[in-house]
Amino acid sequence: KAGVTQTPRYLIKTRGQQVTLSCSPISGHRSVSWYQQTPGQGLQFLFEYFSETQRNKGNFPGRFSGRQFSNSRSEMNVSTLELGDSALYLCASSSQGARNIQYFGAGTRLSVL
Amino acid sequence: SQELEQSPQSLIVQEGKNLTINCTSSKTLYGLYWYKQKYGEGLIFLMMLQKGGEEKSHEKITAKLDEKKQQSSLHITASQPSHAGIYLCGADGNAGGYQKVTFGIGTKLQVIP
Repeated sequence: KAGVTQTPRYLIKTRGQQVTLSCSPISGHRSVSWYQQTPGQGLQFLFEYFSETQRNKGNFPGRFSGRQFSNSRSEMNVSTLELGDSALYLCASSSQGARNIQYFGAGTRLSVL
Repeated sequence: SQELEQSPQSLIVQEGKNLTINCTSSKTLYGLYWYKQKYGEGLIFLMMLQKGGEEKSHEKITAKLDEKKQQSSLHITASQPSHAGIYLCGADGNAGGYQKVTFGIGTKLQVIP
């Protein structure tokens, strides 16, 4: 089975722009979770989607949003980028939900200038 | 909300030495996950522990869950350069329902040949 695929791997944006990140889960997995990882804060949960519905949400501003498609692929959008949004964004898929074993993608490294 | 504290935050050991990483939760543990991350990449699942006293091993890595202490330990025997990376623990905070997994900030391990 193919693993979790995240695209693009690297992104450079400027403040005020918006960005969309993509995640293709392992075939058959219906849950996709997104995380932000920074050196100071570690791995912070953004949200989880299961069968196209947002099931859980972390403590991030409304500029961070996501969606999941019928084929379980998920996208994350960040609007009005700020310097502090520079981070590694990871998505993880699991068969039942974030409580089960999660399989992570390699991440998208976002740099905001 | 649940918090996970990992110790030590970083570790440098000589190849062949044993080491232990600890993960302590601020709340009751209902499930504990260990992951390994190479710098700037995704997380690789190592082990999941669900019951107090449970112990699992994979190759030279052993993880234990002490429910009473709300703590888990990861022990590496005869460390090798391939063990280098960042080790993260993640935990479920609820016994039932869907709950996001909270992660510790990680322990950075360097193994010197």
